[in-house]
Amino acid sequence: SYELTQPPSVSVSPGQTARITCSGDALPKKYPYWYQQKSGQAPVLVIYEDSKRPSGIPERFSGSSSGTMATLTISGAQVEDEADYYCYSTDSSGNPVFGGGTKLTVL
Amino acid sequence: QVQLQESGPGLVKPSETLSLTCTVSGYSISSGYYWGWIRQPPGKGLEWIGSIYHSGSTYYNPSLKSRVTISVDTSKNQFSLKLSSVTAADTAVYYCARVMENVLSDYYMDVWGKGTTVTVSS
Repeated sequence: SYELTQPPSVSVSPGQTARITCSGDALPKKYPYWYQQKSGQAPVLVIYEDSKRPSGIPERFSGSSSGTMATLTISGAQVEDEADYYCYSTDSSGNPVFGGGTKLTVL
Repeated sequence: QVQLQESGPGLVKPSETLSLTCTVSGYSISSGYYWGWIRQPPGKGLEWIGSIYHSGSTYYNPSLKSRVTISVDTSKNQFSLKLSSVTAADTAVYYCARVMENVLSDYYMDVWGKGTTVTVSS
């Protein structure tokens, strides 16, 4: 079955740039998406269709992709950005797939 | 602003059927969009279960397809999930969500409910 691979954890100090990667063979042809999930809360869409930001999402969140790798970048990470981040896309048949998640620590 | 709220039993016995309902407010289901279910076992990642269009057409996660039924009731502005023959592995937080279509005719979830915890135990 199709997999999206993320690092289990990323750690940065406040104000630094955090980068979370997601790799998948179908990403050259399928859009990546990114969800933020804070402890005990539902996921929130922070990036859609590779690099678009939904209304209300701070500008410090950005997305990019190249080949089989997608990247979520948080420029000037803040303590409130500490959360689990999941990449999402679809396989070649259109079936939704989530990455395993990356725990972002900001301290 | 669209909002979604999951409801249903928090405890289900092994081998029985899990039944959940998602009530949508702020938007009429019959107007369009797909609507979906996603789950998250304790301490683990997210898993897509399946989605339904307002007309009733469905698509399911192949790994769960034999046990899943998703239906829609436009008169109540609700859609529902049934998962049969549950085991402890089905213990999870279950989320409902609105499903959007992108320009490639693929789908993603943009608005989520708060989730409801379902435990499978005797």
